[in-house]
Amino acid sequence: KAGVTQTPRYLIKTRGQQVTLSCSPISGHRSVSWYQQTPGQGLQFLFEYFSETQRNKGNFPGRFSGRQFSNSRSEMNVSTLELGDSALYLCASSEAGSNYGYTFGSGTRLTVV
Amino acid sequence: QKEVEQNSGPLSVPEGAIASLNCTYSDRGSQSFFWYRQYSGKSPELIMSIYSNGDKEDGRFTAQLNKASQYVSLLIRDSQPSDSATYLCAVNTGFQGAQKLVFGQGTRLTINP
Repeated sequence: KAGVTQTPRYLIKTRGQQVTLSCSPISGHRSVSWYQQTPGQGLQFLFEYFSETQRNKGNFPGRFSGRQFSNSRSEMNVSTLELGDSALYLCASSEAGSNYGYTFGSGTRLTVV
Repeated sequence: QKEVEQNSGPLSVPEGAIASLNCTYSDRGSQSFFWYRQYSGKSPELIMSIYSNGDKEDGRFTAQLNKASQYVSLLIRDSQPSDSATYLCAVNTGFQGAQKLVFGQGTRLTINP
């Protein structure tokens, strides 16, 4: 079974630009979550999608948005990039239900200059 | 008070000894708990999940849960140098099926040969 696939692996963007990150979950997994990981803040929850619906959202500004498609693939978008958005963005997928742990992808390393 | 708290370490343990990692959480309604291992430069990897009070064993790993004390722990027996990593405690604080894993800051574990 293929794992969680995130693209691209690395990105360098300029302040003020926008970026879209992509995530393909494990086949059969319908819940997809996104996390931001930084050395100072650790892993912080961005949002969770299930059946194309956002079920949960973390405490991030509206510049951070996402969506999920009918095949469970998900995208995350960050608009008007700031230097502080530089981080590792991790996507994780899970079977439905709160008792299943997440499997993480390898992440997208975003650098904002 | 942070939702999930761990000792940041570093925790240093000799090879062959038992490593003990601890975590406390604030949401009394949480029902599922997870331990992830993260090697430097890699994404988190799920190693244990626990939902009921008591112990759960899987190979050299034992997870312990005490909901009354809001406490989760991970024991690693016969520690190996390959166990050197950051260990992340995660608590699912979602409700009504929605998932939201809240992570602790992680404990950096070093196994000394």
